[in-house]
Amino acid sequence: GENVEQHPSTLSVQEGDSAVIKCTYSDSASNYFPWYKQELGKRPQLIIDIRSNVGEKKDQRIAVTLNKTAKHFSLHITETQPEDSAVYFCAIRGGSNYKLTFGKGTLLTVNP
Amino acid sequence: DAGITQSPRHKVTETGTPVTLRCHQTENHRYMYWYRQDPGHGLRLIHYSYGVKDTDKGEVSDGYSVSRSKTEDFLLTLESATSSQTSVYFCAISELIRGWSVGEQYFGPGTRLTVT
Repeated sequence: GENVEQHPSTLSVQEGDSAVIKCTYSDSASNYFPWYKQELGKRPQLIIDIRSNVGEKKDQRIAVTLNKTAKHFSLHITETQPEDSAVYFCAIRGGSNYKLTFGKGTLLTVNP
Repeated sequence: DAGITQSPRHKVTETGTPVTLRCHQTENHRYMYWYRQDPGHGLRLIHYSYGVKDTDKGEVSDGYSVSRSKTEDFLLTLESATSSQTSVYFCAISELIRGWSVGEQYFGPGTRLTVT
């Protein structure tokens, strides 16, 4: 089945620094790569996604990059702010199904 | 937030009792999912539905059953709750876009279930 590894499991940065979270996957048929942000006690919310025909996508301070050859994709957050503190999950979806497989999450703490 | 509600939002029950959680959507989306979230495990898929009366198992389906008799409702049943099923349960929905590609997945607010 599909598998996705997410690293690091915790990440602490100073306000204004950049944060990078990386996910690796094994199924070469994976074609959709979303990132979710979950604040404490809240539901996961989609913040950005990328499809396999695109190498990079940006939305203001966040960006996702995809390396299909190496089978990894990363979330980049620039100019971090305390409100970026949350758990971030990557996910993958294969080419022939509509299920998402999630990474185990990264707890990001942005220190003022 | 997409039109997804879950009920109840919190429940405490005893080991061995049956429990049913409800997910209701107003988006008319075809696909519905049940996940459980536990520390250190992220989000794990329990069951999913790809249409009315069409369901399939996810990676952690043992001890759970589901039913979908209407597009808008997806029920998750624990036939005989165990302490290992204490968790936060999330429902999610998604839909086809452009007729062939499954779009974004949106989550409900979650149900916190405690089995004592």
